Amino acid sequence: EPEVTQTPSHQVTQMGQEVILRCVPISNHLYFYWYRQILGQKVEFLVSFYNNEISEKSEIFDDQFSVERPDGSNFTLKIRSTKLEDSAMYFCASRELAVETQYFGPGTRLLVL
Amino acid sequence: AQTVTQSQPEMSVQEAETVTLSCTYDTSESNYYLFWYKQPPSRQMILVIRQEAYKQQNATENRFSVNFQKAAKSFSLKISDSQLGDTAMYFCALGGSEKLVFGKGTKLTVNP
Repeated sequence: EPEVTQTPSHQVTQMGQEVILRCVPISNHLYFYWYRQILGQKVEFLVSFYNNEISEKSEIFDDQFSVERPDGSNFTLKIRSTKLEDSAMYFCASRELAVETQYFGPGTRLLVL
Repeated sequence: AQTVTQSQPEMSVQEAETVTLSCTYDTSESNYYLFWYKQPPSRQMILVIRQEAYKQQNATENRFSVNFQKAAKSFSLKISDSQLGDTAMYFCALGGSEKLVFGKGTKLTVNP
């Protein structure tokens, strides 16, 4: 069964450093998402992406964040200058064109020191 | 704004028994979808069940079923014949064509 994959599974970085989180959505999916979950809290929407552009973003998704689909398979989330409060689990999700169900990857645990 | 409320932070059940997790939501959309996701200790988000708001029939997936009360904006999850592997956080989520809005989750423990 096709799955969303994410790399790396864990990342530790220093405050102020740039990080890139990578996702490979399910191959026939056209909508892509990033969510984050701070430890012990609920999952929060960051951004949705369709047809090579952002379709919606939350208040969390400020100028420090960017997303890109650099090729036909990868979908990336970049945090330009990480802050301590960016420490969280980051989930990528994808869905098909006419199906509302989003399928999640296993997540990337980001720790900012 | 869309909101999802899960009023039970923690629940426990004995193996083989039945448990019901509650969820209420609010939305002004007429076309929406509701989901239950399971998050085991590995923290992966696993889809358990989904319900289209326009369907009156309650969704079922093996031991998992929902009680969807559209007028009351209620969407509870029933787990029958609970198994140790059902121990996890369960998140209720509301969605349409874009983002999912999640509740705070219910931590379910299945005891042997």
